Amino acid sequence: NAGVTQTPKFQVLKTGQSMTLQCAQDMNHEYMSWYRQDPGMGLRLIHYSVGAGITDQGEVPNGYNVSRSTTEDFPLRLLSAAPSQTSVYFCASNTGTGNYGYTFGSGTRLTVV
Amino acid sequence: DAKTTQPPSMDCAEGRAANLPCNHSTISGNEYVYWYRQIHSQGPQYIIHGLKNNETNEMASLIITEDRKSSTLILPHATLRDTAVYYCIVRSSGTYKYIFGTGTRLKVLA
Repeated sequence: NAGVTQTPKFQVLKTGQSMTLQCAQDMNHEYMSWYRQDPGMGLRLIHYSVGAGITDQGEVPNGYNVSRSTTEDFPLRLLSAAPSQTSVYFCASNTGTGNYGYTFGSGTRLTVV
Repeated sequence: DAKTTQPPSMDCAEGRAANLPCNHSTISGNEYVYWYRQIHSQGPQYIIHGLKNNETNEMASLIITEDRKSSTLILPHATLRDTAVYYCIVRSSGTYKYIFGTGTRLKVLA
């Protein structure tokens, strides 16, 4: 039982490049979310999903796409990277069937130059 | 979703109780209060949650006022490893859409 696994742990992109941040969980959780955390700041919700095939926008969705084709995976796509997207990205999952807390991954540290 | 207000920072002596307040004056009847903490730049860690009754687990206690407009997270015997940013979050029943605030940076002093 690995919990929530995020890959890669570190990434440097050039402005305009695209990439996908991977998130996988092996706990059969229905709910998954993506957050970004800028230096010295709290977490901001990008997108979330309440189950396979269902996604919705959070606070700061612009510049990001998500899809949820399976329960296990919730990838985050950066369409055209900008320096403003330099941040730490966290993925989290939750059972959705009870009042439990989210389990967070260890994060992906992204730098856009 | 109700917003929360927390002090930006607090200090606590090692071995003493750390009491972290949170104001959520616009909370509605079906909204839960959750607490998480983030140590260094790790992913946040779930601590405890409650609706209207006080709650206790192996990590902490949660005291919610009778009018539910504020709550306090209590770490009964703070250790240096409890130094972290603590987030208070309000979540509506039936949704797992969390909105984090800026949290309280707790520093436990030796």
